[in-house]
Order: sequence, then structure tokens, then C-alpha cells
Amino acid sequence: SYELTQPPSVSVSPGQTARITCSGDALPKQYAYWYQQKPGQAPVLVIYKDSERPSGIPERFSGSSSGTTVTLTISGVQAEDEADYYCQSADSSSWVFGGGTKLTVL
Amino acid sequence: EVQLVESGGGLVKPGGSLRLSCAASGFTFSSYSMNWVRQAPGKGLEWVSSISSSSSYIYYADSVKGRFTISRDNAKNSLYLQMNSLRAEDTAVYYCAAAGTPLYFDYWGQGTLVTVSS
Repeated sequence: SYELTQPPSVSVSPGQTARITCSGDALPKQYAYWYQQKPGQAPVLVIYKDSERPSGIPERFSGSSSGTTVTLTISGVQAEDEADYYCQSADSSSWVFGGGTKLTVL
Repeated sequence: EVQLVESGGGLVKPGGSLRLSCAASGFTFSSYSMNWVRQAPGKGLEWVSSISSSSSYIYYADSVKGRFTISRDNAKNSLYLQMNSLRAEDTAVYYCAAAGTPLYFDYWGQGTLVTVSS
């Protein structure tokens, strides 16, 4: 199988831009997906196919891809965005998550 | 409204067995592949198993292969996970997750806690 690597933590002040990266050798060939998980809650899909946003997800959430790294960007961070964020990718028979990044809103 | 409701979790001794269920509503269950994803206390997400919409394709993580069995009943809109030979490292919240395309997880349940301890 393969691995996805995320920074353990990212901190930003309200209104600033948060960028969370996810690196993996398979990412040039496979899409990445991002989930937000708040304490005690189930994960929620916030980005699919590298940069697409599901309905109901605020426009401040965006995604991008470059080579072996994908990035989740949250523009104009709000207090409610404080959560754990996980990237995920898949091949034909396995699904892999990154280790997760705790976003702290200062 | 999409709902996925897991049940069947609890405390079990090492080597024991447990069967998890997931009841689905609010979407066309038979058109979605279904998955189990777990999260150990204080840890990240780990994919466990996947079953295609018609049960034709089934996959397991190496960590559970040979011990866990995934199944579904489209007539009952239900997903199952039979867990045998449980180990302490299987302790986690187990989520069922629906995938409209097999590559990612559109909908998640709230999870059920499985604790393996003597």
C-alpha cells in the first residue's frame, strides 16, 4: 500500500488563510479527498477530486494539487473551522487516510 | 435526509466476536458501495473494509483480513461487519460510510464503539 503524510498541526488567527498539505507518491495518479472532523462527530467530506466542493460546503474551502502534494485551503478562517482534517486517496482495492491535521484557530 | 445508524458495539474480551450493523435510509442504498472505517481513541481514521453495491467486490485492510467479514442486505438497507478473533488493537469507533463512487465516502454514520479488553 502507500502512505499519505500530513502535518500534525496548523494554527491560524481568525480571518487568516489556513493551508493544510498532504503528500504521497500516488497523488499524481490518484485524486485526493478531504474530510473535516469535529470532536465527537463523524467526518464530513469537504473536498473531492482534489478541488471539487460538495454542495453545502462553504466557498472558503478549496483544494489544489501539484505533483505529489495536495493542499486544502481555508480562506478567511472562522472559529467554527477548528477541527481535525484528513486527506484520503484510493486505488482499485484500498483506501488510505493521512494521519490528520489539527487546525487550531487562535 | 440521509441517515446511517450503526449498532452492535460494546465490550468484548480478546479472542471474542462481535457483529456490527448499519441501517441506512434517505438514499438508494443498493446503488452505493458501503464501507467500514474505524478510529482508535485519540487516533486517525483507518479504512477497514469495502463492499460493492451488489456484493460482487469485497476488500479488506491487511490488519483485519481473515478475521472480519463484511456483508450487506439490500432488501433491508443494511450493512454488517462480523468481527472474529478480536484483539486489543481493534478497539475503536467503527463508522459505516456510503460511497456513491467507490473512491471516497459521501455519507457517514455517527459510529459505534468497540472495546476489546479483558
